[in-house]
Amino acid sequence: EAQVTQNPRYLITVTGKKLTVTCSQNMNHEYMSWYRQDPGLGLRQIYYSMNVEVTDKGDVPEGYKVSRKEKRNFPLILESPSPNQTSLYFCASSLVSVMASGPPDTQYFGPGTRLTVL
Amino acid sequence: SQQGEEDPQALSIQEGENATMNCSYKTSINNLQWYRQNSGRGLVHLILIRSNEREKHSGRLRVTLDTSKKSSSLLITASRAADTASYFCATDNYGQNFVFGPGTRLSVLP
Repeated sequence: EAQVTQNPRYLITVTGKKLTVTCSQNMNHEYMSWYRQDPGLGLRQIYYSMNVEVTDKGDVPEGYKVSRKEKRNFPLILESPSPNQTSLYFCASSLVSVMASGPPDTQYFGPGTRLTVL
Repeated sequence: SQQGEEDPQALSIQEGENATMNCSYKTSINNLQWYRQNSGRGLVHLILIRSNEREKHSGRLRVTLDTSKKSSSLLITASRAADTASYFCATDNYGQNFVFGPGTRLSVLP
């Protein structure tokens, strides 16, 4: 089954304790992305990756790191989490457009990770 | 920066009625997409419309795009209780990063 998986689904942690949220897709998609969703703000893009070893900042990258060493995996790293990073996080993947510099196409979303930082 | 802005923020209708949601954006785009989200779960893609298209249909969904006004609308015809969800538009900001609006919360009452 084609899917995007995230782990863990729920996480409660304390300020400053490094954590990693994993994301994996089995659709051979080039494009992967991380979003956070907060009430009233919709989804905001944190980082995205057009392919292996290629990552770029989205609208709210501060306090986050990512890596893309393999095509299927795109982990989100919080080196020193703070309470303002309490949020619902989504990973997504997509094929890119047939145009060389074109935008990603339909995005497939994971089920979400609810993170609470105390 | 908030690229897509949906309107209204919330909409409540009776089953069988049509629901219309609007989205406005600020910059040039390659495509605009609509997604649905059920109560804090993952988003599901509904429809994509490219900047050179004006209207697109998919089942009970009809999407229009007016690039001169930088706006799009999503029409759901003959709504059902199962359509109750939040609906988001997303634009590509003429690049590779996506911007979502805050969403329209649709309630379809039986």
